[in-house]
Amino acid sequence: NAGVTQTPKFQVLKTGQSMTLQCAQDMNHEYMSWYRQDPGMGLRLIHYSVGAGITDQGEVPNGYNVSRSTTEDFPLRLLSAAPSQTSVYFCASSYSSGGGVNSPLHFGNGTRLTVT
Amino acid sequence: ILNVEQSPQSLHVQEGDSTNFTCSFPSSNFYALHWYRWETAKSPKALFVMTLNGDEKKKGRISATLNTKEGYSYLYIKGSQPEDSATYLCAFPPPNFGNEKLTFGTGTRLTIIP
Repeated sequence: NAGVTQTPKFQVLKTGQSMTLQCAQDMNHEYMSWYRQDPGMGLRLIHYSVGAGITDQGEVPNGYNVSRSTTEDFPLRLLSAAPSQTSVYFCASSYSSGGGVNSPLHFGNGTRLTVT
Repeated sequence: ILNVEQSPQSLHVQEGDSTNFTCSFPSSNFYALHWYRWETAKSPKALFVMTLNGDEKKKGRISATLNTKEGYSYLYIKGSQPEDSATYLCAFPPPNFGNEKLTFGTGTRLTIIP
C-alpha cells in the first residue's frame, strides 16, 4: 500500500499563477482533507470531504477549490496564487468516524509551496 | 473555532529522563482526542485516538491519559531516547463532527539531549 501520496513535493509559483496539488489514497478511506502548516500555528483545515461528490469548507478556505470525483483522489486547486499562500500543505485521509469507530488521520508527505 | 491548547510549547529533556506534556480542550460535547507525533521533514503519524473518560493508552514507552470532564489529556514518555525528538500534536473535532474536521493544537516540540 502506498498510503497517501501527494505531488509535487516542492513548488514555486509567481503571484497570480494557478496550480493543482494532487492527493491520492489507496486505503479506501471515506474522509479526505487538506491542511496547511504555517510557522507558529497549528495545522489549519482548508477543505474536507466525507465521500465522493461531497466537499465542504474548513477554517481557511479562501483562495482554494477542491473536488472529489472519486474516493481515491482529492486535488487542491489554487486559483490565483498569493504570497499569503506560501505554506506547507498536507493531505490526510481516514475511515469515517461513524458507528463509534474513531480512525486516526493518515497524512501525505506534504507539499512545500512558495509564492513569490 | 475550537481552542485546543498544548503546553509547554517546547521542552528539552535529558536522555533517559521521563517527561510529560498537556493538551487542553473544551470539555463540552466531547467526541474524541487525537495525538500525533511529527518528526522534522516528515509527516505527522498517529499515536492514539482516545474517546472515553479515564482512558489510558500505551505504545511502548509512550502513554496517554484522558480526562473529558475537565478537558485535558497528558502524554507521557518514559526513559526518553533521541528518537523521541519530535513535535507532539493533539487534535479535537468540533461538536457534531468527527475526524473529518479536526482542530489541531500548535504542538509541543520535544528535544532529547544525548
